[in-house]
Amino acid sequence: DAKTTQPNSMESNEEEPVHLPCNHSTISGTDYIHWYRQLPSQGPEYVIHGLTSNVNNRMASLAIAEDRKSSTLILHRATLRDAAVYYCILRVNAGNNRKLIWGLGTSLAVNP
Amino acid sequence: NAGVTQTPKFQVLKTGQSMTLQCAQDMNHNSMYWYRQDPGMGLRLIYYSASEGTTDKGEVPNGYNVSRLNKREFSLRLESAAPSQTSVYFCASSESKGRGRNEQYFGPGTRLTVT
Repeated sequence: DAKTTQPNSMESNEEEPVHLPCNHSTISGTDYIHWYRQLPSQGPEYVIHGLTSNVNNRMASLAIAEDRKSSTLILHRATLRDAAVYYCILRVNAGNNRKLIWGLGTSLAVNP
Repeated sequence: NAGVTQTPKFQVLKTGQSMTLQCAQDMNHNSMYWYRQDPGMGLRLIYYSASEGTTDKGEVPNGYNVSRLNKREFSLRLESAAPSQTSVYFCASSESKGRGRNEQYFGPGTRLTVT
C-alpha cells in the first residue's frame, strides 16, 4: 500500500496561515488524498479530500501537486482551536475494498 | 443527532478476560469501522463492515471478533484480552457515497487497559 510522509510537528502563530505538507510519492492513479485532524482526547475529524484538482471548503484548502506525489493542507488563519494532529491519508480503492491508510500525522501547535 | 457513540469510555481488564465494545451511529450510514490507536503509531484498521450483514478483516484482526448487529450497531469483542491489546479503540461510520468520498465520522473512543 502507498504511504504518506509528514513532518512530526509544526508551529504557527494565531491568525497566520499554516501550510502542512505531505509526501505520497507511491500514490496510484485511483487513490484519493484525505486529511483528518484529531484534537486532544477526541476521535479524528474529517477535514478535506481531493483527487487531482485543488479543493476548498469551510475548514481548509487542499493543494495537490500536478504529479500528485505531494499535497499541502492550508489553514488560512490559524486559531487556537486548530491545535491538533493532522493526518494526511490515502484512500485506497481496490475493488469493493476502500480503506484509509493512516500515517503518524503532524502535530500542529498554535501560539497566541 | 448524536453521531457515533461508543461504550464504555474507559475499561480495565485482567489478562484472559473478555469484553465487548459497543458502537452505534444514527446517521443511517452503510459502512462501519473499528480502529485501534497506539502511541507513536497511526490508526490501524481492525475490522470493517461495508454494509449490514457483511464484515471483513482489516490490518490487525487477530484477537478480535466483530458483529454487525443491524445497520446502526457494530460491536467489537475481545475473547481473551492480552496486554498487547491495551489501546484506544475508535469506531467510525461512513455513507459510502461512491469513489473518493466516504468521509468517516468517528466516535469519542474507548480507552482499554489490559493488566
